[in-house]
Amino acid sequence: GNSVTQMEGPVTLSEEAFLTINCTYTATGYPSLFWYVQYPGEGLQLLLKATKADDKGSNKGFEATYRKETTSFHLEKGSVQVSDSAVYFCALSSNTGFQKLVFGTGTRLLVSP
Amino acid sequence: DAMVIQNPRYQVTQFGKPVTLSCSQTLNHNVMYWYQQKSSQAPKLLFHYYDKDFNNEADTPDNFQSRRPNTSFCFLDIRSPGLGDAAMYLCATSGHRGFQETQYFGPGTRLLVL
Repeated sequence: GNSVTQMEGPVTLSEEAFLTINCTYTATGYPSLFWYVQYPGEGLQLLLKATKADDKGSNKGFEATYRKETTSFHLEKGSVQVSDSAVYFCALSSNTGFQKLVFGTGTRLLVSP
Repeated sequence: DAMVIQNPRYQVTQFGKPVTLSCSQTLNHNVMYWYQQKSSQAPKLLFHYYDKDFNNEADTPDNFQSRRPNTSFCFLDIRSPGLGDAAMYLCATSGHRGFQETQYFGPGTRLLVL
């Protein structure tokens, strides 16, 4: 079945450091890929998405590229801020039937001043 | 602001005592989803409604039921909560069911079973 694997957290960085959170997936067909973010006490929010191979999603300085050859969708940001501290979830949606999101277990990011 | 609202944010119930969690949305979306998220685990889809059409996941226990009386509201009923049902329950909506759709999540209800 479909699955998503994320790097274990927490990821601890200093402000202005470079961020990478790894995400790989297993799926049949050509899924859509998503990154959701969950700030403390809030629900999940869509951060970015990509719907086909080689697409790059971007938002708020975050980027991720859909790499079919490596089945990856790694999240990157060039310079993190304290306000980026949150839990980040990678997810996929298969392109068959309805949109069923399959999530990774989440990666907590802690950014210190 | 248009949004997905979940009430209550925290719910305490007793073992075996039925409990209902509520979700409402002002987005006028066709699809509403319920997810269960246990500690340090990924959210797991329980079921969804496409308009009035209920769609259960194959591995969702019979103990979990749902109602959608109108477009705006959707309820999650747990008939006889067990200790293993303690979790965060997330409601989400989307305009349609296409695989490229964005789902909009509420803040969640954390359920504690004593």
